[in-house]
Amino acid sequence: DAKTTQPPSMDCAEGRAANLPCNHSTISGNEYVYWYRQIHSQGPQYIIHGLKNNETNEMASLIITEDRKSSTLILPHATLRDTAVYYCIALTSNTGKLIFGQGTTLQVKP
Amino acid sequence: DTAVSQTPKYLVTQMGNDKSIKCEQNLGHDTMYWYKQDSKKFLKIMFSYNNKELIINETVPNRFSPKSPDKAHLNLHINSLELGDSAVYFCASSQEVGGPTYEQYFGPGTRLTVT
Repeated sequence: DAKTTQPPSMDCAEGRAANLPCNHSTISGNEYVYWYRQIHSQGPQYIIHGLKNNETNEMASLIITEDRKSSTLILPHATLRDTAVYYCIALTSNTGKLIFGQGTTLQVKP
Repeated sequence: DTAVSQTPKYLVTQMGNDKSIKCEQNLGHDTMYWYKQDSKKFLKIMFSYNNKELIINETVPNRFSPKSPDKAHLNLHINSLELGDSAVYFCASSQEVGGPTYEQYFGPGTRLTVT
């Protein structure tokens, strides 16, 4: 599974879009990009995933560059409840083994 | 409705004891997992079961033994507890093992403290 690199922390103003970057320059063609988040003391929560195309769901949007070497998770209107650690994971589909890095701690401020 | 539940939520015990943590999922998933999150907040997979069969075992000491009586349950038994076993343990489940529609759903965690 490819290694991912994320900034350790970011701040975002409440109501603004939060853009969380992730580098995965060694990603292979069959590896999906998954995003999870962990709100303090809770279990991780699935957000979104994609392979090549941009994806959107009720929680977020995922923008994957054409060369697939990086991606951005977008929370369109961040709220205080979005304060969490966000994990970007490149996953090979055969084992289902999620490898969590240090993630990005997003602090949404009033 | 709780999708993935764990009991107990907190567990405080002494070194050398044997303890179990239970996990149940009501999502009808075929695959279940155990993760350990240490004091530095690193989250690491320990085991994975698919249809009651062990498919991932990540160099975990053999004091840790997962048991899956059926697809909806994956329990974690720990023998001879050590101080270093103190952590938060998360159970998770997924419909598939990998694949394009593969998401893991996590339980609330069990905080184990060994004194």
